[in-house]
Amino acid sequence: QITLKESGPTLVKPTQTLTLTCTLSGLSLTTSGVGVGWIRQPPGKALEWLAFIYWDDDKRYSPSLKSRLTITKDTSENQVVLTMTNMDPVDTATYYCAHRHSFGGYDIWGQGTMVSVSS
Amino acid sequence: DIQMTQSPYSLSASVGDRITITCRASQSISTYLNWYQQKPEKAPKLLIYTTSTLQSGVPSRFSGRGFGTDFTLTISDLQPEDFATYYCQQSHSSPYTFGQGTKLEIK
Repeated sequence: QITLKESGPTLVKPTQTLTLTCTLSGLSLTTSGVGVGWIRQPPGKALEWLAFIYWDDDKRYSPSLKSRLTITKDTSENQVVLTMTNMDPVDTATYYCAHRHSFGGYDIWGQGTMVSVSS
Repeated sequence: DIQMTQSPYSLSASVGDRITITCRASQSISTYLNWYQQKPEKAPKLLIYTTSTLQSGVPSRFSGRGFGTDFTLTISDLQPEDFATYYCQQSHSSPYTFGQGTKLEIK
């Protein structure tokens, strides 16, 4: 059974850097074809795609947030890490990591982690 | 970026009804279109990928059609558990954008 679980702070201050970790179980980040993405959802709003990383370290970013985002993977820990700099209250959201199905959709999602940005 | 536009924004229907949600892409995405269902306080669930293929375990009352820029999600014989918010997403090219969602409510 494949599971993903997000972890990180629940509260950050404006201008701080957010670091979120997605830990995979039942699937290795070194397996050919494996990809993990990050998606967020502000309270009461729509899903927003943020970033994605493949097993071969190929990466994709949302252009509107690219300057603030970094996605990396730690194969020894089987984790994907997302950092977002210069956090603002508008970045308050539930952040999800999800496994990318081979045909492009996200078929397995973490439970999500709610991050609030406030001083 | 490819923009994804869903309609309607919200929809009221009754158990047993048949409903259709539309998703339009700002440029052609071939069949690289996915549909998700999300219930309150839960992570989205993949229903359909590549326009019309049902994810394992998804009931056959869900169906998807389309090509290029215009796509539909149809739910036949609505069940109580189908009342949720539905999102389309394109997986043609990065950034892999989502639609704004369609909230399906009980009439």
